[in-house]
Amino acid sequence: AQTVTQSQPEMSVQEAETVTLSCTYDTSESDYYLFWYKQPPSRQMILVIRQEAYKQQNATENRFSVNFQKAAKSFSLKISDSQLGDAAMYFCAYIGARARNQFYFGTGTSLTVIP
Amino acid sequence: EAGVAQSPRYKIIEKRQSVAFWCNPISGHATLYWYQQILGQGPKLLIQFQNNGVVDDSQLPKDRFSAERLKGVDSTLKIQPAKLEDSAVYLCASSLIPPGRMNTEAFFGQGTRLTVV
Repeated sequence: AQTVTQSQPEMSVQEAETVTLSCTYDTSESDYYLFWYKQPPSRQMILVIRQEAYKQQNATENRFSVNFQKAAKSFSLKISDSQLGDAAMYFCAYIGARARNQFYFGTGTSLTVIP
Repeated sequence: EAGVAQSPRYKIIEKRQSVAFWCNPISGHATLYWYQQILGQGPKLLIQFQNNGVVDDSQLPKDRFSAERLKGVDSTLKIQPAKLEDSAVYLCASSLIPPGRMNTEAFFGQGTRLTVV
């Protein structure tokens, strides 16, 4: 079964600094996507960034980028120039072709941004 | 574009009572998910619909939970009777998956926070 592990329950970063959130996953599939979702206090999960397993180039969305290490099954999220609005729970998620389009989520990392 | 709508936002009930949650997905999205998110944990899939058919309900506690998606649009999730451990946020999500392709994004509602006392 696919598992997604986030080993950092809580992280904090100074405003304007850079922070990296870690995620590892376990799968035997070769075709899959990885995601980072943000969940602010409003509870609505918002897609931050996604990475297709076949793409070697790391995905980037403005201040958000990933470090995708396929062999190590690692998928970390880097937030540059952190802003107060980045404070939220961040979930790493996996979806694979064989799992009939089920998302598997990690346990989340709570990010605090210090002014 | 309207997002995924869920109601109610909050619900407090006593154990052994019944409760129902409602979800209206994004128009045209054939795939609908219900997730349970217990405090401090990631969302756990309860049930997945494709149109009005169930794709996966292996983690749905069927002795007390039920879900339906009539006409392949709105969906309701019911708990009867509720237990203390059902206290959680119930998230609904929908997706538009092109035929033969993998799901590359799910759109989530704001969830219903259920407290069972």
